[in-house]
Amino acid sequence: KQEVTQIPAALSVPEGENLVLNCSFTDSAIYNLQWFRQDPGKGLTSLLLIQSSQREQTSGRLNASLDKSSGRSTLYIAASQPGDSATYLCAVDNNDMRFGAGTRLTVKP
Amino acid sequence: DVKVTQSSRYLVKRTGEKVFLECVQDMDHENMFWYRQDPGLGLRLIYFSYDVKMKEKGDIPEGYSVSREKKERFSLILESASTNQTSMYLCASWGQGAKETQYFGPGTRLLVL
Repeated sequence: KQEVTQIPAALSVPEGENLVLNCSFTDSAIYNLQWFRQDPGKGLTSLLLIQSSQREQTSGRLNASLDKSSGRSTLYIAASQPGDSATYLCAVDNNDMRFGAGTRLTVKP
Repeated sequence: DVKVTQSSRYLVKRTGEKVFLECVQDMDHENMFWYRQDPGLGLRLIYFSYDVKMKEKGDIPEGYSVSREKKERFSLILESASTNQTSMYLCASWGQGAKETQYFGPGTRLLVL
């Protein structure tokens, strides 16, 4: 059974810092990997989707990479802002979606 | 604009009550999912459906059932609510193909007293 782990569980940084969130998974036979953002008490919003044949995807200040062979993905956030404060979850698709527990990010002004 | 809606944002029920959580999507997606989310445990899959009248158990189906009579609607049923079912419930909808993302509803926060 696929297991997804996210490290760290929580992260607090000052505004302007570049930061990296990590995601690892145990079964490399995935179709894609997604990064989601969740604001408190809300549903999930998809940020980036990387197909299994791709190495990375970029959207604005966000860059996600995928290394299937090692079972790892990273989400890089450049020049962090207080509005980036949220929980970030990664999910892998093996015919159904498996989620990590998330990284709670706080960006302090 | 893509939409997944859930019937309630907040719900308070008593132990033993039958609870219905409704989810509707307007994207003509085949696949729909119910998750529960608890602190430190992330999202756990309860049930999913790949087609009308079709359902599959996820990781934690005990104490739950589902109904999918129409393509756009996927209902989660707590047959006899218990306090350990107090949680945030999230519905998701997903089209076919590796390029598709899941779309989530806003969630229902259920409190069972």
